[in-house]
Amino acid sequence: DAGITQSPRHKVTETGTPVTLRCHQTENHRYMYWYRQDPGHGLRLIHYSYGVKDTDKGEVSDGYSVSRSKTEDFLLTLESATSSQTSVYFCASRANNEKLFFGSGTQLSVL
Amino acid sequence: GQQVMQIPQYQHVQEGEDFTTYCNSSTTLSNIQWYKQRPGGHPVFLIQLVKSGEVKKQKRLTFQFGEAKKNSSLHITATQTTDVGTYFCAGPDTGNQFYFGTGTSLTVIP
Repeated sequence: DAGITQSPRHKVTETGTPVTLRCHQTENHRYMYWYRQDPGHGLRLIHYSYGVKDTDKGEVSDGYSVSRSKTEDFLLTLESATSSQTSVYFCASRANNEKLFFGSGTQLSVL
Repeated sequence: GQQVMQIPQYQHVQEGEDFTTYCNSSTTLSNIQWYKQRPGGHPVFLIQLVKSGEVKKQKRLTFQFGEAKKNSSLHITATQTTDVGTYFCAGPDTGNQFYFGTGTSLTVIP
């Protein structure tokens, strides 16, 4: 598997606090994605990036922002966490053959 | 926007029985991919189909891409306990986004 790591693996936070999730890849992939996974909804795209400083919204982007200052790093920020953002978050990078490689995920609980 | 639906959402089978999951897209896809996610794990790429009507096999798994490139299926013959997990189809839109189906969770009863 491609070298893609997410941190932290688990996070518990309170409503209203900012939270940043990190994704790091070592494959020099151009495209990176953030998904959230909730029961009954599968994987829903939050934001994606098609290059350094080039990002765009996915289908569930409200309440989230992203940044990509280097090819290898893609950050997801919840500006003011809400209980509805309790979820498992997955980062993925896309190889030239369009295959996606996923990180191990971050379990986020907002109390 | 593009929507990708999968049925069934859940499937329980006795070990040795066959299993099929179906994927339908609201738009034509340039290609479709299948991923497997083991319980507690992350999605892992299984296969990519590109051509209309394409059929590919991986041991007991058979993947099909519809003629109109809007639907796909995954069939597992003689399930084993190692097949347990959630199976997702996924396809790119005309831009750079990758949409995933809702997934089918497979339970195999020994």
